[in-house]
Amino acid sequence: EDQVTQSPEALRLQEGESSSLNCSYTVSGLRGLFWYRQDPGKGPEFLFTLYSAGEEKEKERLKATLTKKESFLHITAPKPEDSATYLCAVWGGSGNTGKLIFGQGTTLQVKP
Amino acid sequence: DAGVTQSPTHLIKTRGQQVTLRCSPKSGHDTVSWYQQALGQGPQFIFQYYEEEERQRGNFPDRFSGHQFPNYSSELNVNALLLGDSALYLCASRASRDSYEQYFGPGTRLTVT
Repeated sequence: EDQVTQSPEALRLQEGESSSLNCSYTVSGLRGLFWYRQDPGKGPEFLFTLYSAGEEKEKERLKATLTKKESFLHITAPKPEDSATYLCAVWGGSGNTGKLIFGQGTTLQVKP
Repeated sequence: DAGVTQSPTHLIKTRGQQVTLRCSPKSGHDTVSWYQQALGQGPQFIFQYYEEEERQRGNFPDRFSGHQFPNYSSELNVNALLLGDSALYLCASRASRDSYEQYFGPGTRLTVT
């Protein structure tokens, strides 16, 4: 069964303190691993898509990496505005009739 | 370029009632999916619409139904509301069935009392 597990559930950082969020996945035939940012009460905002092991993508202070079993979201020198829930998802199902399967998210709080 | 829009923003209903939520996909997108997100959880897939037909369905009862219109907009209907249906309902669209990237709307917060 396709499954996504994120850790930790919550993370508190001081401004400037770099860290990483983990996303472990099990899926038959990876068609994409996706990272989203979600602010309270709002819809998920698309950040990255990774398609194959070894791939990396960057956006401002965020860098996403992918191995065959997990993905990491590295946050370098975070700022308070990076506080949000970060969701990881994989594309599950056959071909293009599939769906996104999400983890439960990691809630990040960055204190000034 | 307008993103995914949803209406209403918030909704309060009584147990047993019926509700309709609406979604307009991102410009140029023809495939719409609906997700339910309970507090503190990741979104759960409800169903997907393409060419005005339901193409795939998640593990949700028949009380959940939908529709897609010729302009690609979509509705989610929930009958016989239960307290457990209280959640954030998210609509997502993608450019085509060959594209896996989905873009989400702001959601509709449904509270069932």
